[in-house]
Amino acid sequence: DQQVKQNSPSLSVQEGRISILNCDYTNSMFDYFLWYKKYPAEGPTFLISISSIKDKNEDGRFTVFLNKSAKHLSLHIVPSQPGDSAVYFCAAANQAGTALIFGKGTTLSVSS
Amino acid sequence: DGGITQSPKYLFRKEGQNVTLSCEQNLNHDAMYWYRQDPGQGLRLIYYSQIVNDFQKGDIAEGYSVSREKKESFPLTVTSAQKNPTAFYLCASSIEGPRPGAGELFFGEGSRLTVL
Repeated sequence: DQQVKQNSPSLSVQEGRISILNCDYTNSMFDYFLWYKKYPAEGPTFLISISSIKDKNEDGRFTVFLNKSAKHLSLHIVPSQPGDSAVYFCAAANQAGTALIFGKGTTLSVSS
Repeated sequence: DGGITQSPKYLFRKEGQNVTLSCEQNLNHDAMYWYRQDPGQGLRLIYYSQIVNDFQKGDIAEGYSVSREKKESFPLTVTSAQKNPTAFYLCASSIEGPRPGAGELFFGEGSRLTVL
């Protein structure tokens, strides 16, 4: 059973607009969440993370929001740029801290 | 430059053959991981190792084996018992387990295995 879900396989956005990528999780023991960005035939690269003690973390154009009661997090990219076009993975870790559990990813396409 | 090196980048294997994928890191990280990526499946954890000479099965360990004899190396063997081995394999490392403040996972560039 999937513990980390990204229900939108793809998202298309115009350059300059906001991109919102969503992620839901089922395991209430998860307390650390990360977003990774991946280009084809490359390894994922870390984008931004958030601990469960926070509800928002911001880094430049990227902001992650966490709603623990809804077991939902989202990644906002403002403004979106064509170079943001990639697959975005949501990941979660539990208190044991053994490994990350990844979602299936959302492919973001930003058109100019 | 510090980083994670996976080799080979592309590998072809005949059915029934074992194959070993190499993963080396010079980041002085304690923890190392192997993930598999299939289209539409995201990244699934095969094995992970928090420390030298110790490793644990992930969600899809069947048909795979690993060793962690050195801190910087975590090779993955895809055995003939793995029923569907064609995939993109990603190795990663982290300073320690993925705890807040411990830092994120750093990934290699991946190895694409194709079974003919």
